[in-house]
Amino acid sequence: AQSVAQPEDQVNVAEGNPLTVKCTYSVSGNPYLFWYVQYPNRGLQFLLKYITGDNLVKGSYGFEAEFNKSQTSFHLKKPSALVSDSALYFCAVRDPRGGSQGNLIFGKGTKLSVKP
Amino acid sequence: EAGVTQSPTHLIKTRGQQATLRCSPISGHTSVYWYQQALGLGLQFLLWYDEGEERNRGNFPPRFSGRQFPNYSSELNVNALELEDSALYLCASSPGTQYFGPGTRLTVL
Repeated sequence: AQSVAQPEDQVNVAEGNPLTVKCTYSVSGNPYLFWYVQYPNRGLQFLLKYITGDNLVKGSYGFEAEFNKSQTSFHLKKPSALVSDSALYFCAVRDPRGGSQGNLIFGKGTKLSVKP
Repeated sequence: EAGVTQSPTHLIKTRGQQATLRCSPISGHTSVYWYQQALGLGLQFLLWYDEGEERNRGNFPPRFSGRQFPNYSSELNVNALELEDSALYLCASSPGTQYFGPGTRLTVL
């Protein structure tokens, strides 16, 4: 079965420090991977995706993610965290049974807290 | 370009009633997805519609149903509401990347 794991419920970093939010996946075939961010009482905002190509994917707001096929990981990173990055982050993989349009399977989410 | 819109923003119902949630996709998007975000349960896939047809369904009982209209907007219907149906219901549209609406907060009393 397809699945996504976000092993950390919460990540705490100081403003200006680099941040990493971890994600591992299990999916048959080539994975289509996504990161979304959710601010309180809001919907999800798309950050970035990996479909194919370069293992380092750059996205919105200075975020990037590194795809590692051998470790089945897709960790989200940012070189210098901002207080405004504090939010709930979700990693997702597309259900391969739906082809290029399939629904998403989400991890449990990781709460990122950036302190001044 | 307008994003995905959902209505109503909040909905309060009592147990046993029916709820109807609505979603309008981004112009040109033909696929609409529904997800439930319940406290402590994360984001769970409910339903996927494309070109008016149901393409996939998550692990939810049949009292969760929906449809997609010719203009690609969609409705989610929840019959015989239960307390545990209280959640944020998110709609997304696609092709390719899924873009989400702000959600409908359903509270069942």
